[in-house]
Amino acid sequence: SQQGEEDPQALSIQEGENATMNCSYKTSINNLQWYRQNSGRGLVHLILIRSNEREKHSGRLRVTLDTSKKSSSLLITASRAADTASYFCATGGSWGKLQFGAGTQVVVTP
Amino acid sequence: DTGVSQNPRHKITKRGQNVTFRCDPISEHNRLYWYRQTLGQGPEFLTYFQNEAQLEKSRLLSDRFSAERPKGSFSTLEIQRTEQGDSAMYLCASSPPHGANTEAFFGQGTRLTVV
Repeated sequence: SQQGEEDPQALSIQEGENATMNCSYKTSINNLQWYRQNSGRGLVHLILIRSNEREKHSGRLRVTLDTSKKSSSLLITASRAADTASYFCATGGSWGKLQFGAGTQVVVTP
Repeated sequence: DTGVSQNPRHKITKRGQNVTFRCDPISEHNRLYWYRQTLGQGPEFLTYFQNEAQLEKSRLLSDRFSAERPKGSFSTLEIQRTEQGDSAMYLCASSPPHGANTEAFFGQGTRLTVV
């Protein structure tokens, strides 16, 4: 079963705009991670935020975590066509096991 | 290339046949995971190895599925008597032994089509 639920399911934006996607989960977590997947390929890790952290930045990525609401958000600033991909949140368990949501499909048009 | 390697990348098989996939993790990673991903969904956990020990199996892993990691290095996932519902992308991932807060490194996956 899927632990996380992403919202929206799909997002279409133009280059230069910001993209925001949200993730809600059900149980307590050690951490929450975001991954990117280009069509038909493996997943690439983007960022990990621990349960005791509230915000984290990596380049054009900003992740927030609200454990009281069991939710997280991923913001991609100044999007590029190369950001076109599916984005998944995943909750991290005690030995690295991940439970993924269904993902947000992002399309960035030039 | 020192990433996670999966072979084959694609496999088409007839219903009822057996298939085996291989995963070579990053060499210093003692944790290895198998996930299954169907179209439009996120990956679902199948099983986890720490070194050669299989420590957890999902209920998704029916009796027709078996995974091994005999020497704590590469792993194989075998599906016996394949069914059309087994068609999916099978993803392998590995991670280093640094507690709970560590990222997973994924291979490119093996896409299985059962006809």
